[in-house]
Amino acid sequence: EAQVTQNPRYLITVTGKKLTVTCSQNMNHEYMSWYRQDPGLGLRQIYYSMNVEVTDKGDVPEGYKVSRKEKRNFPLILESPSPNQTSLYFCASSKQGGNQPQHFGDGTRLSIL
Amino acid sequence: SQELEQSPQSLIVQEGKNLTINCTSSKTLYGLYWYKQKYGEGLIFLMMLQKGGEEKSHEKITAKLDEKKQQSSLHITASQPSHAGIYLCGADGRAGNNRKLIWGLGTSLAVNP
Repeated sequence: EAQVTQNPRYLITVTGKKLTVTCSQNMNHEYMSWYRQDPGLGLRQIYYSMNVEVTDKGDVPEGYKVSRKEKRNFPLILESPSPNQTSLYFCASSKQGGNQPQHFGDGTRLSIL
Repeated sequence: SQELEQSPQSLIVQEGKNLTINCTSSKTLYGLYWYKQKYGEGLIFLMMLQKGGEEKSHEKITAKLDEKKQQSSLHITASQPSHAGIYLCGADGRAGNNRKLIWGLGTSLAVNP
């Protein structure tokens, strides 16, 4: 089954404790992206990747890192999480080029205490 | 910067009623996507519109893109409780390979049995 898989689905942690949210897709998509979704602010892009070893900042990259060493994986790293990073996070992937719908993972709900 | 405005922000309808959700941009859209999200869950792709005047239907949901490619509507006929959720529109703000999508804030739909 074609899918985007995120882990973990839920995480409660404390300020400053490094964490990684994994994202994997099995559709051989070139493009991958991370979003955060907050009430009243909608979906905001954190980072995106057009292909392996190519990543770029989205609208809200501060406090996050990403890497794209393999085509299927695009982990999101929070080196020193803070409470303002408490949010619902989504990973998405699509084929390269315009007019290609993005496929979303089920989301990761992060709570930073 | 380009924005997508969705209206209404929320909607409560009686089962069996028709409804329309709108998505408007001040600039030309190069690809318009409709997604449905159940509360706290992932986004499910519904439809994509590319050409001015295009209309697509899936089951009881019809999406249209106006001739100027600046406004899209999503129409649900004979709504059912299964249609409840948040409907999001997203769009390619420019042509080409750049996958910098812009997003509306969503329309929350409740369908009362």
